[in-house]
Amino acid sequence: DTAVSQTPKYLVTQMGNDKSIKCEQNLGHDTMYWYKQDSKKFLKIMFSYNNKELIINETVPNRFSPKSPDKAHLNLHINSLELGDSAVYFCASSQDWWGTEAFFGQGTRLTVV
Amino acid sequence: GIQVEQSPPDLILQEGANSTLRCNFSDSVNNLQWFHQNPWGQLINLFYIPSGTKQNGRLSATTVATERYSLLYISSSQTTDSGVYFCAVEAKAAGNKLTFGGGTRVLVKP
Repeated sequence: DTAVSQTPKYLVTQMGNDKSIKCEQNLGHDTMYWYKQDSKKFLKIMFSYNNKELIINETVPNRFSPKSPDKAHLNLHINSLELGDSAVYFCASSQDWWGTEAFFGQGTRLTVV
Repeated sequence: GIQVEQSPPDLILQEGANSTLRCNFSDSVNNLQWFHQNPWGQLINLFYIPSGTKQNGRLSATTVATERYSLLYISSSQTTDSGVYFCAVEAKAAGNKLTFGGGTRVLVKP
């Protein structure tokens, strides 16, 4: 049973396309996140949702839109993909929005060509 | 925001060697975690350790919150320990966002 699972694992797409990455957690956590890992392995938070409410929205282009249909799911939709969007995107969850351990999915490697 | 610095940036070990990785942070934290990113890219939780000392097999970690640093010890290293080790902290002053250090890339040679 995977605790935090994201699909797809790999995504190759052309510039200008729109794509989505899905994330689900079965840990019963209240908070979910999207992180981006760049080519130098640096990990940075993009968004955080607590009980389906957006609580962290970093300086991310508005082509990126997260959606949380319920506490267990947080999807990431990206419009008009650009070459610079190529990265590994990680979903994570934690019991609460502060002071609790975060668990990460296996990552989605997005390549824009 | 909070600064998180990890050292060394790179480490090459002979199998069986011991090593210490360090994480310094610039503010009081309410969460500190160590992760291992294996060669397949998975981020594996090692320790949730905002303060104190914990041990898990050949790995142990100590966080001295008052002095704003944490140490990760790897003893009797194995080739499967290769990968990147990340420290991540969460501080109220930085909006309770889990902020990652730059990582220590470890290569254990047989």
